[in-house]
Amino acid sequence: KAGVTQTPRYLIKTRGQQVTLSCSPISGHRSVSWYQQTPGQGLQFLFEYFSETQRNKGNFPGRFSGRQFSNSRSEMNVSTLELGDSALYLCASSLGPAQGHQPQHFGDGTRLSIL
Amino acid sequence: KNEVEQSPQNLTAQEGEFITINCSYSVGISALHWLQQHPGGGIVSLFMLSSGKKKHGRLIATINIQEKHSSLHITASHPRDSAVYICAVRSYNTDKLIFGTGTRLQVFP
Repeated sequence: KAGVTQTPRYLIKTRGQQVTLSCSPISGHRSVSWYQQTPGQGLQFLFEYFSETQRNKGNFPGRFSGRQFSNSRSEMNVSTLELGDSALYLCASSLGPAQGHQPQHFGDGTRLSIL
Repeated sequence: KNEVEQSPQNLTAQEGEFITINCSYSVGISALHWLQQHPGGGIVSLFMLSSGKKKHGRLIATINIQEKHSSLHITASHPRDSAVYICAVRSYNTDKLIFGTGTRLQVFP
């Protein structure tokens, strides 16, 4: 069974641009969560989608958005990129809503660098 | 003060040693996760627990809900155990995962 697939693995952008990252969950998984990891702040929750609906959202500005498609694939978008958006962006999927009793399966992440 | 605190931040061990990593949290939780992250970024979920103790191979995770504390133990450590171990709790109120800052473990032969 294929794991969680994130594309692209690496991305370089400049300030002011926008970027879209993609996540394909494990087959049959309907929940996708996104996380940002930086050396300064560590891992932080961005948002969670289940059945094409955003279930939960972290404390990030509106420049960060996401969506989920009917096949459970998810994308996140960051507009007007800032230097501080340089980070590893991780996606995780689970069978059902990512509540306490659902184990999450992580992708390898997309490393975004802003110049 | 962080809602999830891990100790130690860094840990060095000789192959074969018994290792303990601690996690304390200050919020009400529905579950606690232990994650392993190798260089390169990929994260593997090791345990998810809400009470008691779980064991998988050489890894053991325990949680004490009353004391808001969890430990991850590695028996007979091996150089391939070298990684960052991250504790994360699912907040009962917000349903969001809150992460500790991680413990960097290096096991030398």
